[in-house]
Amino acid sequence: QKEVEQNSGPLSVPEGAIASLNCTYSDRGSQSFFWYRQYSGKSPELIMSIYSNGDKEDGRFTAQLNKASQYVSLLIRDSQPSDSATYLCAAGNNNAGNMLTFGGGTRLMVKP
Amino acid sequence: DAGITQSPRHKVTETGTPVTLRCHQTENHRYMYWYRQDPGHGLRLIHYSYGVKDTDKGEVSDGYSVSRSKTEDFLLTLESATSSQTSVYFCATVAGGPNEQYFGPGTRLTVT
Repeated sequence: QKEVEQNSGPLSVPEGAIASLNCTYSDRGSQSFFWYRQYSGKSPELIMSIYSNGDKEDGRFTAQLNKASQYVSLLIRDSQPSDSATYLCAAGNNNAGNMLTFGGGTRLMVKP
Repeated sequence: DAGITQSPRHKVTETGTPVTLRCHQTENHRYMYWYRQDPGHGLRLIHYSYGVKDTDKGEVSDGYSVSRSKTEDFLLTLESATSSQTSVYFCATVAGGPNEQYFGPGTRLTVT
């Protein structure tokens, strides 16, 4: 059974701080990793993808991947109240119909 | 948003009735997916399609069937709806990079 695990939270951070979201995965065949943001009542929105070990930065977001430890993280710098949402981690195996396995999500609350 | 629409957006139906949800995409994507999202379970794959008339089961396919007679449409059918199928249903397609899935707006289904 392929699994992606996330702490459900809520993770509460003050405005302007760095929010750190973490995710572990069980399938060593996973080759692609994604972070989605989901506001309440809305659909998941892709915000970051990462395919190789190391860091990938996009604006205030940094995704980090460590395949040896089977660990993915998302850092959000200068957190804003508008970042308050549930963040879903997903892992994909290119040999399996491009399917993704999703974690249960971490709820982030950014307090003004 | 990968040009995805879902219909209906909201539906209330009675136990035992058939229900069909439609996912429509305008960008000729090959892969399409149906997920359900429930509190405590995250996003779970129901069925997916890798081309016209080519479909396969996901993690929670029991009680659901799908059809894809045209590239742009992927239909999800509940032959005889049950209360356990009350959920939010999302359609997704692969666009952009490998395994990058983009979601439609969702359908909220309530079975009474």
